[in-house]
Amino acid sequence: DIQMTQSPASLSASLGETVSIECLASEDIYSNLAWYQQKPGKSPQLLIYYASSLQDGVPSRFSGSESGTQYSLEINSLQPEDEGDYFCQQSYKFPLTFGSGTKLEIK
Amino acid sequence: EVQLVESGGGLVQPGRSMKLSCAASGFTFSDYYMAWVRQAPKKGLEWVASISYEGSSTYYGDSVKGRFTISRDNAKSTLYLQMNSLRSEDTATYYCARHAEGIPFDYWGQGVMVTVSS
Repeated sequence: DIQMTQSPASLSASLGETVSIECLASEDIYSNLAWYQQKPGKSPQLLIYYASSLQDGVPSRFSGSESGTQYSLEINSLQPEDEGDYFCQQSYKFPLTFGSGTKLEIK
Repeated sequence: EVQLVESGGGLVQPGRSMKLSCAASGFTFSDYYMAWVRQAPKKGLEWVASISYEGSSTYYGDSVKGRFTISRDNAKSTLYLQMNSLRSEDTATYYCARHAEGIPFDYWGQGVMVTVSS
């Protein structure tokens, strides 16, 4: 099974700052990496697919990148509504696997 | 508008069975894989199972293999999850989600809570 190691587990940042969340895949997943945002009591929402493609309706301050088996989600100009949990997920092969999540707090 | 609406959750005793349903609308159901993803209280996301377009192929996570069965009725645009031999560790919110082969989950239902407890 492909393991997705996500970091950090939590972070706190101020309005307007830029933050980055990382996911390391245990093997090559050929850019088949998605990022989701989940707000308290809500379903996850797809932000990024194929490592760097922005899902329709997602603000352009969200971006994704990759370097080998390391994938990153960057959020620029943090807004209050960006507070929540973020998860990565590989869709390369079954079993589909998620990262453990990152809790983002806006100070 | 794409909608996925889960139903069938609740409280169930360990060792018993429960069947979840997910009614889909707003898209051609048979054009997509469908999946169940769960989230234990205060925990992360865990993929449970997926089913191919016509139901000919099914895939399961190790924690539910042999106990859960995913199925679909394309005529009714409905996805199912039959859960047998339930354990306390199956307690979670279960989400129905749409995806395709190699494509991530682009739409999710609102989730249904399953509590396994005596």
